[in-house]
Amino acid sequence: QKEVEQNSGPLSVPEGAIASLNCTYSDRGSQSFFWYRQYSGKSPELIMSIYSNGDKEDGRFTAQLNKASQYVSLLIRDSQPSDSATYLCAVTGGSYIPTFGRGTSLIVHP
Amino acid sequence: KAGVTQTPRYLIKTRGQQVTLSCSPISGHRSVSWYQQTPGQGLQFLFEYFSETQRNKGNFPGRFSGRQFSNSRSEMNVSTLELGDSALYLCASSEGPSSGNTIYFGEGSWLTVV
Repeated sequence: QKEVEQNSGPLSVPEGAIASLNCTYSDRGSQSFFWYRQYSGKSPELIMSIYSNGDKEDGRFTAQLNKASQYVSLLIRDSQPSDSATYLCAVTGGSYIPTFGRGTSLIVHP
Repeated sequence: KAGVTQTPRYLIKTRGQQVTLSCSPISGHRSVSWYQQTPGQGLQFLFEYFSETQRNKGNFPGRFSGRQFSNSRSEMNVSTLELGDSALYLCASSEGPSSGNTIYFGEGSWLTVV
């Protein structure tokens, strides 16, 4: 059973701070890693994908991947109240379908 | 490019009835996956279709079924609805099989069973 673990939160950060969201996975053969954002009552939308060890930056978002430690993280710089949502980590690779974590609820308070 | 389109967006059904949900993938995408999302269970994989063939199936009873047409559009059907089937049903499409491609979600179909 391939597992993806996330702290359910809520993670509460003040506006302007850095929010750090973490995700661990069980399958060492995992190859592709994704972060989705889901607002309440809406569907998940893709924020970032990462495939290689290291950091990948896109605007205020940075994804970090460490395959040796089997974790992937998402950093949100200059957090805004509009970033308040649930963040889902998804992992896939080989022949298996994407496995999703249960998500971390982020609250950015003014 | 238009995104993944799901219809209907909201529906209310009675226990014992059946329901059919429809999904049109992003143009050029040949893989369609279906997920059920509930507050208690999170995102659960139902099945995936690629080139009209079911490629993977999740751990759901046989009341849940699906199919894909030659134009990549997909439908899922739930028969003999139960109260526990109330959920957000999400369709996702990808260029190729979801195991090696990024998946993009539609807005979902909210199903309430009363």
